[in-house]
Amino acid sequence: AQTVTQSQPEMSVQEAETVTLSCTYDTSENNYYLFWYKQPPSRQMILVIRQEAYKQQNATENRFSVNFQKAAKSFSLKISDSQLGDTAMYFCAFMKPWFSGGGADGLTFGKGTHLIIQP
Amino acid sequence: EAGVTQFPSHSVIEKGQTVTLRCDPISGHDNLYWYRRVMGKEIKFLLHFVKESKQDESGMPNNRFLAERTGGTYSTLKVQPAELEDSGVYFCASSQAGSGSYEQYFGPGTRLTVT
Repeated sequence: AQTVTQSQPEMSVQEAETVTLSCTYDTSENNYYLFWYKQPPSRQMILVIRQEAYKQQNATENRFSVNFQKAAKSFSLKISDSQLGDTAMYFCAFMKPWFSGGGADGLTFGKGTHLIIQP
Repeated sequence: EAGVTQFPSHSVIEKGQTVTLRCDPISGHDNLYWYRRVMGKEIKFLLHFVKESKQDESGMPNNRFLAERTGGTYSTLKVQPAELEDSGVYFCASSQAGSGSYEQYFGPGTRLTVT
């Protein structure tokens, strides 16, 4: 079974700063996907960024980028030029796709990091 | 395009009662997932439907939980009888089969409180 660990329950930074959220995972699989989801206060969870394990290049989406270290099983999220709207719970998640013999695409989540952007 | 919707948003019931949660996925999404977050713990996968078929229900806690997806559209999750430990937020998500992105779209969740 896979496990996902987010070691930072809460983080607080000033607006415009850069912040990095950590995530480590444990798996014996070779083919998998990693995700960062964001849940703003009282709103639905939305996908921030996705990384396929077979890709060496780190994924980037505007101000959001990841540092994917497959051998170390680490998947950190960097938010550059942080904005007030980035305040949210951030969840790291793992998925073993069905075509890898997983049988289903259920996500395995970490406990989340509550990120607060201060004005 | 409407997102994933869930009903009710909040339910308070007494131990031993029955509650039914509903999820309407994004139109055209064959994959539907149920998750649960108990206070202070991780969001846990419960089960996965592909259309009306249960692809994987390995995460269902016990036989007090029954999920259905008649006709491959909306899904219901019934808890009968409810226990105190069933309290938490129940999330539904859907995704498009064959999209290759594996992005799951989440609903706002149903907060269940069992007293």
